[in-house]
Amino acid sequence: NAGVMQNPRHLVRRRGQEARLRCSPMKGHSHVYWYRQLPEEGLKFMVYLQKENIIDESGMPKERFSAEFPKEGPSILRIQQVVRGDSAAYFCASSPQVLNYEQYFGPGTRLTVT
Amino acid sequence: DAKTTQPNSMESNEEEPVHLPCNHSTISGTDYIHWYRQLPSQGPEYVIHGLTSNVNNRMASLAIAEDRKSSTLILHRATLRDAAVYYCILTNYGQNFVFGPGTRLSVLP
Repeated sequence: NAGVMQNPRHLVRRRGQEARLRCSPMKGHSHVYWYRQLPEEGLKFMVYLQKENIIDESGMPKERFSAEFPKEGPSILRIQQVVRGDSAAYFCASSPQVLNYEQYFGPGTRLTVT
Repeated sequence: DAKTTQPNSMESNEEEPVHLPCNHSTISGTDYIHWYRQLPSQGPEYVIHGLTSNVNNRMASLAIAEDRKSSTLILHRATLRDAAVYYCILTNYGQNFVFGPGTRLSVLP
């Protein structure tokens, strides 16, 4: 059973460009979470999605950031008009259920904005 | 904000037991205690979780205080591969995980 997959692993964007980060959850998992980790800091929750639904986006900036988890295909975290402050590691996690189940994390996408 | 308090860093010698403490004095009756660890340049990895009783798995043991206001993650024999940041997290149904700064564990050969 393959683990959570994220791609790309590294992404470089110039200021003002768009960044698209992809996450394929583990097989059988219908819950996806996105986190952001700034250098030398802990992970910060961004958004929690189930198939075709955003359940909790309380940690996501109101502007420029969006997330989706379509019926088919991976979950996408989209950052429009990136700024230097968006440079971070973005981790995706998945779980089979939400009730206090462990989350399985992917290797992360390291976004660098130049 | 994280609802747990952990020491910033700890050191251990290889092949010795390690006790990583976590205080969670405001824990509610339905909060589970989860532990994750993050190795350098990797995503967090689940270690163990529990509610009231002590728990054991192949990776570690979790000792939960009787009043549940604190817990201890026990690594029975630390190896160099256990060097990581360890996060203690309280979770409840429908709530997202809140990661604090964690404890950076160094393992000395």
